[in-house]
Amino acid sequence: AQTIHQWPVAEIKAVGSPLSLGCTIKGKSSPNLYWYWQATGGTLQQLFYSITVGQVESVVQLNLSASRPKDDQFILSTEKLLLSHSGFYLCAWPDWGGAGAETLYFGSGTRLTVL
Amino acid sequence: AQRVTQVQPTGSSQWGEEVTLDCSYETSEYFYRIFWYRQLFSGEMVFLIYQPSFDTQNQRSGRYSVVFQKSFKSISLVISASQPEDSGTYFCALSELYRGSALGRLHFGAGTQLIVIP
Repeated sequence: AQTIHQWPVAEIKAVGSPLSLGCTIKGKSSPNLYWYWQATGGTLQQLFYSITVGQVESVVQLNLSASRPKDDQFILSTEKLLLSHSGFYLCAWPDWGGAGAETLYFGSGTRLTVL
Repeated sequence: AQRVTQVQPTGSSQWGEEVTLDCSYETSEYFYRIFWYRQLFSGEMVFLIYQPSFDTQNQRSGRYSVVFQKSFKSISLVISASQPEDSGTYFCALSELYRGSALGRLHFGAGTQLIVIP
């Protein structure tokens, strides 16, 4: 069974400060990995998509970047946070589970507050 | 342009009632899937059920079922015998093939916040 760990659980950061959020998945080799972002009270928006180490595709430009340094790790970062970066960040991966088809599963998320 | 629309921002039901949540979507693809997720108050996203476009049969999973009206590009989630634990925000999501992956792009609706009153 796969396990996914997102860190940190929550962050409070100042505008202009750097940020690094991480996601590690165990028990699944070479997974596709995704970053999603949810503004408070809003819907989920896909930010990045990675199919393999070193390959990341940007979906939405939010002055964020992502990297896939290892097969099981996906990192979201920025050098300068904006107020608009506040929200809930979710790492996701596809798996067959018991649904009979590939389904997207989500980590527990990181809640980011930028002040 | 909005790909997935959930017009009910909120909803409520009494314990034991059947609840229907609506969703409409836009796509020009023949093959696609519609997923339903529930977001708990903690933020955790829980997969509930999905409907593939090529299957005319409405999918069912436990107390969850869907009413799929493909020609109208609409799908409803039906929760039978609702319970207070069903409270949360329900998201409809459209999945289209992208770079060979059925989940390469998932477009979410705005969500419907459901409260089930004990």
